Amino acid sequence: EAGVAQSPRYKIIEKRQSVAFWCNPISGHATLYWYQQILGQGPKLLIQFQNNGVVDDSQLPKDRFSAERLKGVDSTLKIQPAKLEDSAVYLCASSLEGSGANVLTFGAGSRLTVL
Amino acid sequence: GDSVTQMEGPVTLSEEAFLTINCTYTATGYPSLFWYVQYPGEGLQLLLKATKADDKGSNKGFEATYRKETTSFHLEKGSVQVSDSAVYFCALKGGSYIPTFGRGTSLIVHP
Repeated sequence: EAGVAQSPRYKIIEKRQSVAFWCNPISGHATLYWYQQILGQGPKLLIQFQNNGVVDDSQLPKDRFSAERLKGVDSTLKIQPAKLEDSAVYLCASSLEGSGANVLTFGAGSRLTVL
Repeated sequence: GDSVTQMEGPVTLSEEAFLTINCTYTATGYPSLFWYVQYPGEGLQLLLKATKADDKGSNKGFEATYRKETTSFHLEKGSVQVSDSAVYFCALKGGSYIPTFGRGTSLIVHP
């Protein structure tokens, strides 16, 4: 089966600019996750969707980050305006559903550098 | 809230050495436990999992046993190879169903 697709793989922007990341999960996976992975740290959950509804976004900096999952399939994560501390890899993952021991399948990530 | 603590890295070993990466957790209820691996330039992928106490997850020569009494899920391998060089993440999924990851442990294996 096709994996989780993410784009772009790399993005370099100036602070205060905006950026958007796109994710296409595995077909049939109801749950979609966006994680932020800062160098040397573990992934931190930003937002979790179940179909096109938000399950958890408690760690999403809502003054500058937004995410949507239209029609319960693809998702976009936007940062506007970007800050230096947003430099990280943004990981998208999906799973069959959010409950139980369902395994997450990750994309390769989108590396953001903010100058 | 839920949390995962992993040993600091990097762990540097010679080929065929024994590997242990420690992982302890804090969670309510009975979480499922996972080890994910991230090879250079790639995304995280599942290595193994365990869903209840005393379960042993295993894959590619790696093993980890779910120890509820010590809230631990240590990763072990009897003989590491150069190709095992990667970053290893311990993770859990508790009652909130929000997956929580540790900070990762880098493993470097020398020939």
